Amino acid sequence: DSGVTQTPKHLITATGQRVTLRCSPRSGDLSVYWYQQSLDQGLQFLIQYYNGEERAKGNILERFSAQQFPDLHSELNLSSLELGDSALYFCASSVRATNTGELFFGEGSRLTVL
Amino acid sequence: DQQVKQNSPSLSVQEGRISILNCDYTNSMFDYFLWYKKYPAEGPTFLISISSIKDKNEDGRFTVFLNKSAKHLSLHIVPSQPGDSAVYFCAAQGNTGNQFYFGTGTSLTVIP
Repeated sequence: DSGVTQTPKHLITATGQRVTLRCSPRSGDLSVYWYQQSLDQGLQFLIQYYNGEERAKGNILERFSAQQFPDLHSELNLSSLELGDSALYFCASSVRATNTGELFFGEGSRLTVL
Repeated sequence: DQQVKQNSPSLSVQEGRISILNCDYTNSMFDYFLWYKKYPAEGPTFLISISSIKDKNEDGRFTVFLNKSAKHLSLHIVPSQPGDSAVYFCAAQGNTGNQFYFGTGTSLTVIP
């Protein structure tokens, strides 16, 4: 158990809909990262937050947004969903903003868009 | 643009033998490299790392080798055990420290 909690574990929805994925980082970790893993793809970095502020942005679509709340949990909002958004979405946390060290991953949220 | 590449999607090895997983990267600014292991229905877990100032780091049965001139790293598992069967991801981090770039993974099967 990494200490990172993601909900929901599975989600099935239709094209055009909007979903919210939630992540609670490890106790004491201030930094939260979101990654997307599509079929046969590596982990694509989406966005990073540190102590409530956006710190780095990767290949995140404009239809996607995220935020980190004062209690340090984070939410990833995916809107106007398309079939290609079906993927595993991982949240990871670390203590520092810039981290030479490991990330601790949650178990992921599997999104299926029909 | 995939900056970290794992060109072997899968690898099968007999129990007790050596497993060698390879990873190539394109960005010379990467200065920290990690290997993660992932079991089905679980998130990736950290396995071992290496800084660019080193060319080898060892932790028990796991050794990571870094060849900066070739922009190549490899993970050696000796001896391989059935419990090592998992997907292994290589990751790299630049000196800004924010982003981790991951490869596509290699699925290792250790045959008893």
